[in-house]
Amino acid sequence: KAGVTQTPRYLIKTRGQQVTLSCSPISGHRSVSWYQQTPGQGLQFLFEYFSETQRNKGNFPGRFSGRQFSNSRSEMNVSTLELGDSALYLCASSLRTGGGEQYFGPGTRLTVT
Amino acid sequence: AQSVTQLGSHVSVSEGALVLLRCNYSSSVPPYLFWYVQYPNQGLQLLLKYTTGATLVKGINGFEAEFKKSETSFHLTKPSAHMSDAAEYFCAVSAQGGSEKLVFGKGTKLTVNP
Repeated sequence: KAGVTQTPRYLIKTRGQQVTLSCSPISGHRSVSWYQQTPGQGLQFLFEYFSETQRNKGNFPGRFSGRQFSNSRSEMNVSTLELGDSALYLCASSLRTGGGEQYFGPGTRLTVT
Repeated sequence: AQSVTQLGSHVSVSEGALVLLRCNYSSSVPPYLFWYVQYPNQGLQLLLKYTTGATLVKGINGFEAEFKKSETSFHLTKPSAHMSDAAEYFCAVSAQGGSEKLVFGKGTKLTVNP
């Protein structure tokens, strides 16, 4: 069974631009979560989606948004990029059986210049 | 609210020595607890998890962890370190019956010396 895939793997953007990151979960997984990883703040939860509905949201500004499609694929968007948005963005999928066991993709490395 | 504290941002051991990575958690509800490992330029891989039942949990690559409710701890151990264990390790907590959201510790970078 294929793992979680994220595209693109690397991205360089300029301040003020917007970016869209994509995540394809493991087949059969209906829950997708996003995390931001930076050296200073560590791993921080962005949002969680299940059956196209946002179930939970972390403490990030409104510039960060996401959505989930009927096939469980998910995208996150960051508008008006800031230098501080440079990070590794990780997507994780799960069966949502209550066990909280999530499977992570390799991440998208976003650099904002 | 939940939080995780990992004691020691860097731990260095010799090959063949005991590995002990410390994790303490805070949770207002019964927790699920996890250890993840991250190798350079990769995502996170689940090592082991505690949900309910047996408090000593065995994971992949010879790692195990013990849930101690009285100490609110979930320390990760491995009897004999291997060079391939060098990586960053993250302890995480989520709420039983809650969302899938994981709250992570800051991570511990393990170095294994030959």
